[in-house]
Amino acid sequence: DTAVSQTPKYLVTQMGNDKSIKCEQNLGHDTMYWYKQDSKKFLKIMFSYNNKELIINETVPNRFSPKSPDKAHLNLHINSLELGDSAVYFCASSQNHMDTEAFFGQGTRLTVV
Amino acid sequence: DAKTTQPNSMESNEEEPVHLPCNHSTISGTDYIHWYRQLPSQGPEYVIHGLTSNVNNRMASLAIAEDRKSSTLILHRATLRDAAVYYCILTPLDKIIFGKGTRLHILP
Repeated sequence: DTAVSQTPKYLVTQMGNDKSIKCEQNLGHDTMYWYKQDSKKFLKIMFSYNNKELIINETVPNRFSPKSPDKAHLNLHINSLELGDSAVYFCASSQNHMDTEAFFGQGTRLTVV
Repeated sequence: DAKTTQPNSMESNEEEPVHLPCNHSTISGTDYIHWYRQLPSQGPEYVIHGLTSNVNNRMASLAIAEDRKSSTLILHRATLRDAAVYYCILTPLDKIIFGKGTRLHILP
């Protein structure tokens, strides 16, 4: 079983559309994250949730909205997609964000055309 | 925010040890030092972490300077599968920040 799974793996969409990326972890972890890796390969945290509550919200446009229906899921909704949103988005989870290893999904490559 | 500095790239021969350095001169007392690596077209993978003492696991060793302002990830016997970008990360109480990482090339 995949520890952290993201769907879809690839997403191609037009500017202005609204899309969602789903993430699920079966590790029983309390903390989940969304990261964005741009074309220059810089990996930046976007959001962090602990027990369904938002604890980190970096400078991200409000078109991006994470939603955590339960501790095992952290979905990412993106409204009014722009060309600059094209990137690889990684979901991750950890028992907590202080001392333990984080497990990453395989990533979702989003291409906005 | 505590930052890390790593060389952009390094090369090593296969089956030889590799020492990947990381500077973190503004580290605070509560920051843990984590190392992750990212193989091509994959998500980051945990390698090792520590606070003050040197650490060993099946993948690597982590040597932490006494003043904690630098650390070194040691791959004891590099293989071609170790070719990846290696990230040195500090985890303060409220933030995880990935630096630019070191791209490690392994020469056969």
